Amino acid sequence: GAGVSQSPSNKVTEKGKDVELRCDPISGHTALYWYRQSLGQGLEFLIYFQGNSAPDKSGLPSDRFSAERTGGSVSTLTIQRTQQEDSAVYLCASSLSSGTGGNTIYFGEGSWLTVV
Amino acid sequence: QKEVEQNSGPLSVPEGAIASLNCTYSDRGSQSFFWYRQYSGKSPELIMFIYSNGDKEDGRFTAQLNKASQYVSLLIRDSQPSDSATYLCAVPPNAGGTSYGKLTFGQGTILTVHP
Repeated sequence: GAGVSQSPSNKVTEKGKDVELRCDPISGHTALYWYRQSLGQGLEFLIYFQGNSAPDKSGLPSDRFSAERTGGSVSTLTIQRTQQEDSAVYLCASSLSSGTGGNTIYFGEGSWLTVV
Repeated sequence: QKEVEQNSGPLSVPEGAIASLNCTYSDRGSQSFFWYRQYSGKSPELIMFIYSNGDKEDGRFTAQLNKASQYVSLLIRDSQPSDSATYLCAVPPNAGGTSYGKLTFGQGTILTVHP
């Protein structure tokens, strides 16, 4: 596609429910990233994929969070048993590769999650 | 000390003035730096990338890097109301074998350009 596509754009869920957020990166981009942006916390890294593998999951805040990527393309971020503190914008980004050299990282428009 | 620090502002400048945004970083080994612009309710978009000491110019934007002092700045000349946004400084990891895209962001500086 032309850009990084994320769905849903907005999600309101009840505390304790599971949610899935989807990211479709730019075609041909092998590296995919998930970030979270919440009020007062800024943008924080969650996880990244190179192809289908996730070499760095260090930013996932708890074991309620998981992500997978299949076919080297679409990725899903799953939050189990959502809590109110999970309310944030979840941003997906992609780049041609994960190596150095100034690869531009392109962000999607984000999935706005509200846990009530 | 946070790894990447920015003055959260808000910074208010009149139209046509120069807006100066600053960012300091703690890892002396950091090699390169990004400036992103984020409009309210939108995703961040890259506006500048710099890795060499000195200045890098792109249109009305100039990024300045001083590795000895560990700061990077963004100057916006002839500021326009459309430049009103949050500006984010981001630093990729210094360590080898780590994804370049694992950026550490500052908190962002809110810029308002008033007519």
